[in-house]
Amino acid sequence: SAVISQKPSRDICQRGTSLTIQCQVDSQVTMMFWYRQQPGQSLTLIATANQGSEATYESGFVIDKFPISRPNLTFSTLTVSNMSPEDSSIYLCSVGGQLSYEQYFGPGTRLTVT
Amino acid sequence: AQSVTQLDSQVPVFEEAPVELRCNYSSSVSVYLFWYVQYPNQGLQLLLKYLSGSTLVKGINGFEAEFNKSQTSFHLRKPSVHISDTAEYFCAVRAAGTALIFGKGTTLSVSS
Repeated sequence: SAVISQKPSRDICQRGTSLTIQCQVDSQVTMMFWYRQQPGQSLTLIATANQGSEATYESGFVIDKFPISRPNLTFSTLTVSNMSPEDSSIYLCSVGGQLSYEQYFGPGTRLTVT
Repeated sequence: AQSVTQLDSQVPVFEEAPVELRCNYSSSVSVYLFWYVQYPNQGLQLLLKYLSGSTLVKGINGFEAEFNKSQTSFHLRKPSVHISDTAEYFCAVRAAGTALIFGKGTTLSVSS
């Protein structure tokens, strides 16, 4: 299994600003994913971040709004740029193996945009 | 690409009654299937998973699910629910090398 930590655990931000969320894993992993869970909604995949390559974004998400870095096999960041109240969500980091079924989730970052 | 459809957005039941939460999926490749539970203001908890083999899988808290390949379904069942089962339930699918894709969720409300 993988133990995932995220920073910050929560934040309240003003509209128009940006927030960078950090994801740290206790072991080297091939695949990292970023999800968003808006209030009362399901988890939506934002992007897949593999080390050494550009992140792959899902439909409806763009790099300018959600830039992602993946500098090594244990760390990634997601930035939420030019925030609006609609960005208020829980953002979750997740990791998984290329060939395995397992996927693990971090505790999430609860973001409120005022 | 994979997709998941949870057929019921809300399921109200009385305590000790049986319940079924329905999930259909779509995929052009073999997938793994999962059910997660999320209690209010808490994180996701894995209930059960289907990887291969027996189509009936048992999970935690007395839940079980049956994989039906011909109907591309993975319905979740419990023979007798408790008040404490009130939560949001998510069906999810994953193909090798891709991310989990979640359904929109089913709110299970158990009342006395």
